[in-house]
Amino acid sequence: SAVISQKPSRDICQRGTSLTIQCQVDSQVTMMFWYRQQPGQSLTLIATANQGSEATYESGFVIDKFPISRPNLTFSTLTVSNMSPEDSSIYLCSVAGTAINGYTFGSGTRLTVV
Amino acid sequence: QKEVEQNSGPLSVPEGAIASLNCTYSDRGSQSFFWYRQYSGKSPELIMSIYSNGDKEDGRFTAQLNKASQYVSLLIRDSQPSDSATYLCAVRGSGGYQKVTFGTGTKLQVIP
Repeated sequence: SAVISQKPSRDICQRGTSLTIQCQVDSQVTMMFWYRQQPGQSLTLIATANQGSEATYESGFVIDKFPISRPNLTFSTLTVSNMSPEDSSIYLCSVAGTAINGYTFGSGTRLTVV
Repeated sequence: QKEVEQNSGPLSVPEGAIASLNCTYSDRGSQSFFWYRQYSGKSPELIMSIYSNGDKEDGRFTAQLNKASQYVSLLIRDSQPSDSATYLCAVRGSGGYQKVTFGTGTKLQVIP
């Protein structure tokens, strides 16, 4: 399965600022997925990022708040914009394996907004 | 109705016992089913996947799938304290682009 390097691993940010999270995959993948995991909660899909096209956002998530870039088949970024304390969460990128192999996750970014 | 439902627990079992984790899903056309283990502060780790009705065994883990009942379970035999974690059920739906939906997870505590 793919190996994903995600950074930063954690950050503490001031409200109103933005943070960009990076994910690098060791192989070419068509789709990358960005998830959020709020404290004590499960994973919620933010968006799906295809190389060369606009990301597809899930209900409740908008591009202005969570812009995504996907410049090539091994890299993606998620920006959390104009942050508020409600954005404090763990953000995870992932890639899909085969139908039977499920998703592989990066190590996560623990974001605290103060 | 939630798309993937799990009992949040905690489920407490003594060391050496069998832990049974359950999950139901709403999309009858779902194709693939996964169990992830997540230790506190860590990202989810895939431990089992199942595609067809019946049982699939891998070491101490057995996944069971019943598509007619829209039910998937995970059995952990000879439970160890190191198995203490949150177990997430995930389902790949029938929609177009491999979207996987996660349940809220069941916290398992194995008591030494």
